[in-house]
Amino acid sequence: GENVEQHPSTLSVQEGDSAVIKCTYSDSASNYFPWYKQELGKGPQLIIDIRSNVGEKKDQRIAVTLNKTAKHFSLHITETQPEDSAVYFCAASANTGGGNKLTFGTGTQLKVEL
Amino acid sequence: DSGVTQTPKHLITATGQRVTLRCSPRSGDLSVYWYQQSLDQGLQFLIQYYNGEERAKGNILERFSAQQFPDLHSELNLSSLELGDSALYFCASSPTPGQGVTDTQYFGPGTRLTVL
Repeated sequence: GENVEQHPSTLSVQEGDSAVIKCTYSDSASNYFPWYKQELGKGPQLIIDIRSNVGEKKDQRIAVTLNKTAKHFSLHITETQPEDSAVYFCAASANTGGGNKLTFGTGTQLKVEL
Repeated sequence: DSGVTQTPKHLITATGQRVTLRCSPRSGDLSVYWYQQSLDQGLQFLIQYYNGEERAKGNILERFSAQQFPDLHSELNLSSLELGDSALYFCASSPTPGQGVTDTQYFGPGTRLTVL
């Protein structure tokens, strides 16, 4: 089955700096890669996603890149703000017979310091 | 607010008991997914239903079962509870089962289960 590895497990940056979180996946059939932000006491919130036919996607301060050959994808947050502090999860999914399960990475605790 | 609702928010029970968690998907979504989040296992997929039928199964214990009703809400039943079942249980929904295209999943706020 799919295995997703995520690094680093914790990341501390100064406000205004950039943050980068990296993930690798094992199943070459995976074709969908979402990123979720989870704040304390809340459910995961989708912040950006990318499909395997695209190499890069950007939404304001957030961007995701995908390298299918190397089986890795990354989340980039620029101009970080204190409200970006949260746990971020990457995930991978392969559509198999209509099944859509997400396999998650282990999460990155991002702390943006003033 | 994702539009996915889950009840109850918190649940405290004893070992050996049985509980039912409830999920209402976003309006119009046909697929419902259940995930378990624990400190040692992270976020793990349990099961997916599409329009009332089981579509995919993950690491779901035999003591756990789920169903999706005609109004598309779903219930996750956990029985013979053990201390290790204490976790956050999330429901997610998506519009279609993704015929060749993997759907975006929107998560609810979760149910925190504590087994004493």
